[in-house]
Amino acid sequence: DIQMTQSPASLSASLGETVTIQCQASEDIYNGLAWYQQKPGKSPQLLIYNANSLHTGVPSRFSGSGSGTQYSLKINSLQSEDVASYFCQQYYNYWTFGGGTKLELK
Amino acid sequence: QVQLKESGPGLVQPSETLSLTCTVSGFSLTSYSVSWVRQPSGKGPEWMGRMWYDGDTAYNSALKSRLSISRDTSKNQVFLKMNSLQTDDTGTYYCTRVDTYFDYWGQGVMVTVSS
Repeated sequence: DIQMTQSPASLSASLGETVTIQCQASEDIYNGLAWYQQKPGKSPQLLIYNANSLHTGVPSRFSGSGSGTQYSLKINSLQSEDVASYFCQQYYNYWTFGGGTKLELK
Repeated sequence: QVQLKESGPGLVQPSETLSLTCTVSGFSLTSYSVSWVRQPSGKGPEWMGRMWYDGDTAYNSALKSRLSISRDTSKNQVFLKMNSLQTDDTGTYYCTRVDTYFDYWGQGVMVTVSS
């Protein structure tokens, strides 16, 4: 099974700041990588797929990058509505999620 | 618009069987696959299994011996049954539409395993 390791587990940032979350796969997943945002009490929502493609309706301040086993999610100009938990997911071989990153405002 | 909604009991006794229903609208179960995902409180989601658009199924190897997924296309419903529940099966259970990744999610149903 492919394991997904996400870092950091928690993150505190100020409004307007740029934030980066990392995700490492235990083997090459050939860009089969998605990012999800989950607000408290809500279901996860798709942000990014194929490592760097923005899902419909997602603000352009979100971007994804990476290849092989290393991927990242970047949030430019952090907004208050971005406070949430973020999860990466590989779908190259079945589906595995990372442990999540909880993003809070400083 | 695409919608998925989970339903089922919120409380299950240890060693009993969990039965959940996912009712979908806005797409056809013969065109899209549906997966079940669960999430313990404060932890990352875990993929449980998938009902393919052609009726085939796939299961997480860690759950395969306890899990069964079926469907009724005439009712636009996908079903999950998992037996021998224990306290660490407590969490929120979601159904999702699958387009390689999970593009739409239901609101989830909280399941507590307790006597």
